[in-house]
Amino acid sequence: DTAVSQTPKYLVTQMGNDKSIKCEQNLGHDTMYWYKQDSKKFLKIMFSYNNKELIINETVPNRFSPKSPDKAHLNLHINSLELGDSAVYFCASRHDGEQYFGPGTRLTVT
Amino acid sequence: DQQVKQNSPSLSVQEGRISILNCDYTNSMFDYFLWYKKYPAEGPTFLISISSIKDKNEDGRFTVFLNKSAKHLSLHIVPSQPGDSAVYFCAALYSGTYKYIFGTGTRLKVLA
Repeated sequence: DTAVSQTPKYLVTQMGNDKSIKCEQNLGHDTMYWYKQDSKKFLKIMFSYNNKELIINETVPNRFSPKSPDKAHLNLHINSLELGDSAVYFCASRHDGEQYFGPGTRLTVT
Repeated sequence: DQQVKQNSPSLSVQEGRISILNCDYTNSMFDYFLWYKKYPAEGPTFLISISSIKDKNEDGRFTVFLNKSAKHLSLHIVPSQPGDSAVYFCAALYSGTYKYIFGTGTRLKVLA
């Protein structure tokens, strides 16, 4: 009964492709996030949604588009993938100041 | 501009001894701080937090200390156990926002 789940866990794709990563939380939390952990292991916030409304949109290329069909899901779609998009992407949900992270999706762009 | 810094990328400690992990921040607006533990191939898991109205919070073997004047917090693990070997991230939040700022992590290795 994973609290925050992500699919897929690994994603290998070629430059120029479009791909999506899915995130689901069964904790009933209102707020969800996407983070990117790059090669330097730096965890950087990308987006946040609260009750399906976008509340944080960091300086991220517009090739990245989050979508929240309902408050339990926050998906990340990436167009025209580039080599620099290779990273681990983490989804998280938030409650009472604490965040609960998914296991991560390792994206490799070749 | 890194607002949250963990200047020690790694730390090795003998089992049973104290582990002290440090974190510095620059933004005085931060009023809530958290520590996360991360094992390889897993997401970070919440460990302990502290509000800026406190200077200490304790939970079992884990204690977080906050020094607001120095803009410094530390995580103490006593006694350290081999299962504590992981990467530890500190994070800071201004509670008027939903935006968490993470440090770059410290890899702790507890030697048996």
